Amino acid sequence: EPEVTQTPSHQVTQMGQEVILRCVPISNHLYFYWYRQILGQKVEFLVSFYNNEISEKSEIFDDQFSVERPDGSNFTLKIRSTKLEDSAMYFCASIGQAGNQPQHFGDGTRLSIL
Amino acid sequence: GQQLNQSPQSMFIQEGEDVSMNCTSSSIFNTWLWYKQDPGEGPVLLIALYKAGELTSNGRLTAQFGITRKDSFLNISASIPSDVGIYFCAGSADAGGTSYGKLTFGQGTILTVHP
Repeated sequence: EPEVTQTPSHQVTQMGQEVILRCVPISNHLYFYWYRQILGQKVEFLVSFYNNEISEKSEIFDDQFSVERPDGSNFTLKIRSTKLEDSAMYFCASIGQAGNQPQHFGDGTRLSIL
Repeated sequence: GQQLNQSPQSMFIQEGEDVSMNCTSSSIFNTWLWYKQDPGEGPVLLIALYKAGELTSNGRLTAQFGITRKDSFLNISASIPSDVGIYFCAGSADAGGTSYGKLTFGQGTILTVHP
């Protein structure tokens, strides 16, 4: 069964450094999402992306965050200057088309900011 | 913003027992999803519900989309040790346009099953 893949599985970065998290959504999916889960807490929506532009973003997704679909397969989340509170699991998800489709999640990237 | 209240926060049960958990919201959702998350992994879809009143089963799991569109429950029958994990409800307002598919998650229910 097709799946969403994320790399790396674990990223350790010094505070203030830039980090790029990568996702390969399910092929032929059209809607893409990033979510965040701080340890022990619920999953929180960050941003949705469709037709090469951001559809919606949450309050968490401030100017330090950006997303990009640089080619036909990858979907990236960049944090420009990481803060300690950015430490979390980051999940990518995708949906195929409008209508009754559930979001499929990757296994996430654990981001640790030192 | 939209909030989902999920209960209970945790459950400790004996193998073979049935389990029930639910989510409620102050606002309407047009899609309800139930996910299970194991440590270090992403949420795995268990059941998707798209119609008010819908009752759907997946093996030992049964979930219902509340008729008011503001609640959903998940039942697990005859629990087994591998049911251990965190269960999340998630809802989507799915109003089309910019909010399509954005999921709001509940706080999760931690399930422990004793053999």
